[in-house]
Amino acid sequence: EAGVVQSPRYKIIEKKQPVAFWCNPISGHNTLYWYRQNLGQGPELLIRYENEEAVDDSQLPKDRFSAERLKGVDSTLKIQPAELGDSAVYLCASSSARTGLYGYTFGSGTRLTVV
Amino acid sequence: EDQVTQSPEALRLQEGESSSLNCSYTVSGLRGLFWYRQDPGKGPEFLFTLYSAGEEKEKERLKATLTKKESFLHITAPKPEDSATYLCAVQADSNYQLIWGAGTKLIIKP
Repeated sequence: EAGVVQSPRYKIIEKKQPVAFWCNPISGHNTLYWYRQNLGQGPELLIRYENEEAVDDSQLPKDRFSAERLKGVDSTLKIQPAELGDSAVYLCASSSARTGLYGYTFGSGTRLTVV
Repeated sequence: EDQVTQSPEALRLQEGESSSLNCSYTVSGLRGLFWYRQDPGKGPEFLFTLYSAGEEKEKERLKATLTKKESFLHITAPKPEDSATYLCAVQADSNYQLIWGAGTKLIIKP
């Protein structure tokens, strides 16, 4: 079974440009998460979906970040316009249980560099 | 405020030298404490969930234990392939969000 698939793996953009990340979760996993991870730190939740509904987006910088999960499967995270401080690894994860107690499955992430 | 602190930040061991990693936490009602392993360039990989004080779980050379204030990840006779960053996270029973520590970078030298 394929794991959580993310693309692209790497992205280098100039500040003020837009960028989008794509995630395909594990089949049957209704809960999907987008995290941001800076070097030497733990992941920081950006948004959590239950099926197609965003149930926790309290830490998503809504002035520049947006996300969608059409049909409750694939998801896209967008940044527009990007700032230098957005440089980080963006991780997508999915879980079978809403609580995540059985563990999340993470993708390999997208490393974003804003120059 | 819910908080997770991991120590040490980094740990270098010789192959076969056992040790422990610490995860101290404060949370208003613990639903679960999680351990993940993260290799360079990859996302975290789930290891264990612990639910209550006194609980222990094992996987190969790893054993996780839990008290009311902290968790330990014991590594017995480690091998170079155990080298990774180990992340701890807690989930309060008031919501589903995970509070993550910054991780311990473990390096096992042959």
